[in-house]
Amino acid sequence: KNEVEQSPQNLTAQEGEFITINCSYSVGISALHWLQQHPGGGIVSLFMLSSGKKKHGRLIATINIQEKHSSLHITASHPRDSAVYICAVKRYTDKLIFGTGTRLQVFP
Amino acid sequence: DVKVTQSSRYLVKRTGEKVFLECVQDMDHENMFWYRQDPGLGLRLIYFSYDVKMKEKGDIPEGYSVSREKKERFSLILESASTNQTSMYLCASSFPSRREKLFFGSGTQLSVL
Repeated sequence: KNEVEQSPQNLTAQEGEFITINCSYSVGISALHWLQQHPGGGIVSLFMLSSGKKKHGRLIATINIQEKHSSLHITASHPRDSAVYICAVKRYTDKLIFGTGTRLQVFP
Repeated sequence: DVKVTQSSRYLVKRTGEKVFLECVQDMDHENMFWYRQDPGLGLRLIYFSYDVKMKEKGDIPEGYSVSREKKERFSLILESASTNQTSMYLCASSFPSRREKLFFGSGTQLSVL
């Protein structure tokens, strides 16, 4: 079993829909990252959180440390949100453990 | 704007060739990482460097070596490329803290024929 599991693996949505991507992990962590990877490869860090909730524009990330679970929400989704979203957890070193990603496609 | 630059976007090499992948960052980060990304497997850590001339093996170091002679540059070396090393290679860097973000390069898609 992977230490970091994401669901769903693939997600399609119509423009304007509210989207939720989930991440569950089985190890103790110091922080959790949400990353975005567009076609072509480059990865951008969206959020790093260790408790509670963070918001940036239409993106919201939450984490429940007791339940070992995090969610990434996208409000009013847009075709430019189409990408792979990756959850990664940082243990008590500088190394990350990555989920396998959720591929999101938003259609007009 | 912070930058992690990988020298090649696409690379095609032959089996047995020695391959160098270069990564340069302009943020004075101590930590630098090399990952490979394969479909269905996510990112896996090959090597990690936490300072000049310091390195640590990641989860899949076999067949790879690294060099960090200067703080800003971290090189990944495939001593004798094999077809199972065909992959997307991503470099990243960060400051050494639990609360620091990771910055990624745009990746090198390596094909070994």
